[in-house]
Amino acid sequence: DTGVSQNPRHKITKRGQNVTFRCDPISEHNRLYWYRQTLGQGPEFLTYFQNEAQLEKSRLLSDRFSAERPKGSFSTLEIQRTEQGDSAMYLCASSLTRVQETQYFGPGTRLLVL
Amino acid sequence: AQKITQTQPGMFVQEKEAVTLDCTYDTSDPSYGLFWYKQPSSGEMIFLIYQGSYDQQNATEGRYSLNFQKARKSANLVISASQLGDSAMYFCAMREGPSNTGNQFYFGTGTSLTVIP
Repeated sequence: DTGVSQNPRHKITKRGQNVTFRCDPISEHNRLYWYRQTLGQGPEFLTYFQNEAQLEKSRLLSDRFSAERPKGSFSTLEIQRTEQGDSAMYLCASSLTRVQETQYFGPGTRLLVL
Repeated sequence: AQKITQTQPGMFVQEKEAVTLDCTYDTSDPSYGLFWYKQPSSGEMIFLIYQGSYDQQNATEGRYSLNFQKARKSANLVISASQLGDSAMYFCAMREGPSNTGNQFYFGTGTSLTVIP
């Protein structure tokens, strides 16, 4: 399977704990995006990387959130001191810089904070 | 103002009939891209079709076509010959600015399509 993969698919945690999600993009894609999606809404942009550089962060990304893409391949999204409002689906997408720049999405990680 | 507006929370269509899902967008940038994604209950976003702001013709991909009306800032998705497997959430999205600058994408709130046998 050469699509975008995300792990874990589901995560249940207690409020105040830290969680980390991983995204493996399509291998030749140089751009990687993180989104958050809550029930009944479309994905909301969080941040994106071009290779290993984090080029843009949304206001939604509070200081409890941090993302890395150390070698320009896989990326991690960490949420520290989780809150119940962090419960959502976290989607990763990747794209290749070209005319169209279609983003291809992974299956998402569903986070539930109790 | 919303960048992407989808005014139909839910739509029903009879199997084998065509259906149009509405999308309007808001941007002052002359260069942008418009996308439609399908999200089945499994959660994965599936790319369907793309329209660039400078494209002269409406995009088509199999049973999907995009009715692009630039002056009205609308990019409606037309699904022909609906199938039961088309039942899903459909999201319209926009990349604002040229593709090589990596601008963020904006998504609408989605339309839930149900195909009736």
